[in-house]
Amino acid sequence: GAGVSQSPSNKVTEKGKDVELRCDPISGHTALYWYRQSLGQGLEFLIYFQGNSAPDKSGLPSDRFSAERTGGSVSTLTIQRTQQEDSAVYLCASSLVGGRGDTQYFGPGTRLTVL
Amino acid sequence: EDQVTQSPEALRLQEGESSSLNCSYTVSGLRGLFWYRQDPGKGPEFLFTLYSAGEEKEKERLKATLTKKESFLHITAPKPEDSATYLCAVVGSGGSNYKLTFGKGTLLTVNP
Repeated sequence: GAGVSQSPSNKVTEKGKDVELRCDPISGHTALYWYRQSLGQGLEFLIYFQGNSAPDKSGLPSDRFSAERTGGSVSTLTIQRTQQEDSAVYLCASSLVGGRGDTQYFGPGTRLTVL
Repeated sequence: EDQVTQSPEALRLQEGESSSLNCSYTVSGLRGLFWYRQDPGKGPEFLFTLYSAGEEKEKERLKATLTKKESFLHITAPKPEDSATYLCAVVGSGGSNYKLTFGKGTLLTVNP
């Protein structure tokens, strides 16, 4: 079946511009996650959505970052006024129920470059 | 705070030369330990989930094992196509039992 999809695969932007990254989770998965992978760093958690519950935004690095999930499916991660330190690969994952150690399946990622 | 340390950072093997990758972890109440494979320019690909000490799982040339402090990914008779970065991650039963905490990975290169 179809896996997690993300778009765009690559995004180059200028410092100060806003960007939107999109994630389509696996059909039927109720939990959705965003992670960031920077050069030399491991993957770091950004945000978690589970059904209709309030999202866990504790990993967002600044208030320039926001995310929403519409209709319990597609999610958009928005970065406002991008900075060079925002350059990274942004990975989306989904899982069946969320919590209790269920397996998270990752998409191919969006590589963001801020000039 | 959950922590994961992977070693070695990089490993170079000859085709057919078996070896093991290590993942040491500290976590408050392990909910699951996960192994992923990541190829350059791609997202992590799920390999295994282990839930309790003593558990083992196998897939082709890979075998993952788990103790209370560490996990090993054993690679038997590797092939060049096994070259990738292998990532280990844990989920604990602390305040958020869904956040994956990742190690920095082991870059495996298998030469023909």
